[in-house]
Amino acid sequence: QVQLQESGPGLVKPSQILSLTCTVSGGSISSGSYYWSWIRQPAGKGLEWIGRFYTSGSTNYNPSLKSRATISLDTSKNQFSLKLSSVTAADTAVYFCARDGPHCSGGTCSYAFDIWGQGTVVTVSS
Amino acid sequence: DIQMTQSPSSLSASVGDRVTVTCRSSQSISNYLNWYQQKPGKAPKLLISAASSLQSGVPSRFSGSGSGTDFTLTISSLQPEDFATYYCQQSHTTPWTFGQGTNVEIK
Repeated sequence: QVQLQESGPGLVKPSQILSLTCTVSGGSISSGSYYWSWIRQPAGKGLEWIGRFYTSGSTNYNPSLKSRATISLDTSKNQFSLKLSSVTAADTAVYFCARDGPHCSGGTCSYAFDIWGQGTVVTVSS
Repeated sequence: DIQMTQSPSSLSASVGDRVTVTCRSSQSISNYLNWYQQKPGKAPKLLISAASSLQSGVPSRFSGSGSGTDFTLTISSLQPEDFATYYCQQSHTTPWTFGQGTNVEIK
């Protein structure tokens, strides 16, 4: 079955770029009608969707991040990545990668995060 | 952005209780509504998609209902493994947004 695993530095300095990679195993990142998403969760708080990438090149981002986020795919490595620029302490969180796929019922297809990575803690601090 | 509001923010219940969590959206989202369960230190798990479609492997004591702006997650008979935080999430319009979560605690 498809599994996701995040990797990247656990500590990033303020104003620098946070870079994370999600490795997909058990299936091709290019197959199916799936988007590949990043979601984050500050300690003790709720979930915030960062953005997603489709294999066609289509992307969607959360405007709350003010264009600081970039998501890309590397189909040769079966990975997708997140870069978040100009980080501050407010970007400290657990970062999850997730598959965002269509789930159809009664004529409606609702996209949902059906497979998640385990999450990786990123702390922004000097 | 579409705002998602869950109620209550937390509740205490006993094993065997019927539990209901409500989620309201700031505008109509038809049935583009998903429910997740999250346990401490773990990633969320998809329970229900499209408001009422139970995911494979999820116990039948979980159910979802609603359409438009008002949605409900019901656990018919709470089990020890159900103590967790539950989130709703809309997939009608990006940016996808989540409710603030409902923490279901042991009474």
